[in-house]
Amino acid sequence: DGGITQSPKYLFRKEGQNVTLSCEQNLNHDAMYWYRQDPGQGLRLIYYSQIVNDFQKGDIAEGYSVSREKKESFPLTVTSAQKNPTAFYLCASSIGQGSYGYTFGSGTRLTVV
Amino acid sequence: GQNIDQPTEMTATEGAIVQINCTYQTSGFNGLFWYQQHAGEAPTFLSYNVLDGLEEKGRFSSFLSRSKGYSYLLLKELQMKDSASYLCAVRAPRDGGYNKLIFGAGTRLAVHP
Repeated sequence: DGGITQSPKYLFRKEGQNVTLSCEQNLNHDAMYWYRQDPGQGLRLIYYSQIVNDFQKGDIAEGYSVSREKKESFPLTVTSAQKNPTAFYLCASSIGQGSYGYTFGSGTRLTVV
Repeated sequence: GQNIDQPTEMTATEGAIVQINCTYQTSGFNGLFWYQQHAGEAPTFLSYNVLDGLEEKGRFSSFLSRSKGYSYLLLKELQMKDSASYLCAVRAPRDGGYNKLIFGAGTRLAVHP
């Protein structure tokens, strides 16, 4: 079955450490997205990628980095520069610009300890 | 700017009908989506409206008025499993014309026996 897989489901990070969240899709979607979800707030866009080897900053890109070396994969690195990284992170993908909506992964809950 | 408003919380009784409203102010409009999200899980697609009017799909219906910047999601014959957050998202062009989804904060619905 086609889908989008995020791993790990839960992740703990010490302050000052970088951590990478995985996102893999086998839907053959061109576009991929990373969102952050905090209680009481809507999903906020971190980065997005329309095609391989290209990506753009979203609304809250500071302290994050991404790569898009393969169509299937769009990993997100949360760097030590991100001051408040504890959140639920959602990866999504779409055909083109999302005329049919987005397909979401099951999320990674990151906690800084 | 981009703004999407929906009530924070709603409660309803099993078997009843509930209407969740969403108002939006965005620079451009290319469709409105409703997603359901259970706690700690991925959002799942419920409905899509791009033209004015009502779209019905089983127990769920969604309405759109583009002139009023308004949509609602109607849930009939409520079941306990409908307890979840409901996300309103507008597809709008940003960053040089690329369409992306902009999400509201979500409405948390609690269904009681």
